[in-house]
Amino acid sequence: QKEVEQDPGPLSVPEGAIVSLNCTYSNSAFQYFMWYRQYSRKGPELLMYTYSSGNKEDGRFTAQVDKSSKYISLFIRDSQPSDSATYLCAMSQPQGGKLIFGQGTELSVKP
Amino acid sequence: GAGVSQSPSNKVTEKGKDVELRCDPISGHTALYWYRQSLGQGLEFLIYFQGNSAPDKSGLPSDRFSAERTGGSVSTLTIQRTQQEDSAVYLCASSSGVAGGHTDTQYFGPGTRLTVL
Repeated sequence: QKEVEQDPGPLSVPEGAIVSLNCTYSNSAFQYFMWYRQYSRKGPELLMYTYSSGNKEDGRFTAQVDKSSKYISLFIRDSQPSDSATYLCAMSQPQGGKLIFGQGTELSVKP
Repeated sequence: GAGVSQSPSNKVTEKGKDVELRCDPISGHTALYWYRQSLGQGLEFLIYFQGNSAPDKSGLPSDRFSAERTGGSVSTLTIQRTQQEDSAVYLCASSSGVAGGHTDTQYFGPGTRLTVL
């Protein structure tokens, strides 16, 4: 079993829809939780960053962490075609260092 | 400023040959990471350099893989006697190296797409 599980999709939604992306993890030592966005043939770029449990909002994006359930989510409101990309969750332990990634969810937002 | 750069962007090689992949981190970043991204496997950690400390090599899949970082800046990932299963995108990232915290954000390069025939 992988340390971080993420449904690879693909996920297709109409423009304007609310998108929910999720990851589960098994290592309770993880303290830092991130969402990266990766466009085709590009490197991942950091989208959202959360420390420990709680919510964080940035524009149309909201990240949630529930450490008791070992479950993290990313919500995208009013999705746009430009949001079409692969979304990767990633996590690390308190001392930082290597990131453990989920498999990535491929999202397509149709106009 | 300039981001993480990697070269070459694409590399096609024959099985059994050695390859070298290069990474130029963001200036001033003391931490440098190599990851591999392959279909169905997602992004896998390979190796991590932090300043003058011994590198964390725990993700290297076999002794055919090695990496070095010269002068605390540029890094080279070497794969000896390449196999078809080595075909993947090899991504390099760098960070400020401050343990934990948002300041330790990893910034990724565009990757090197390796194809082993």
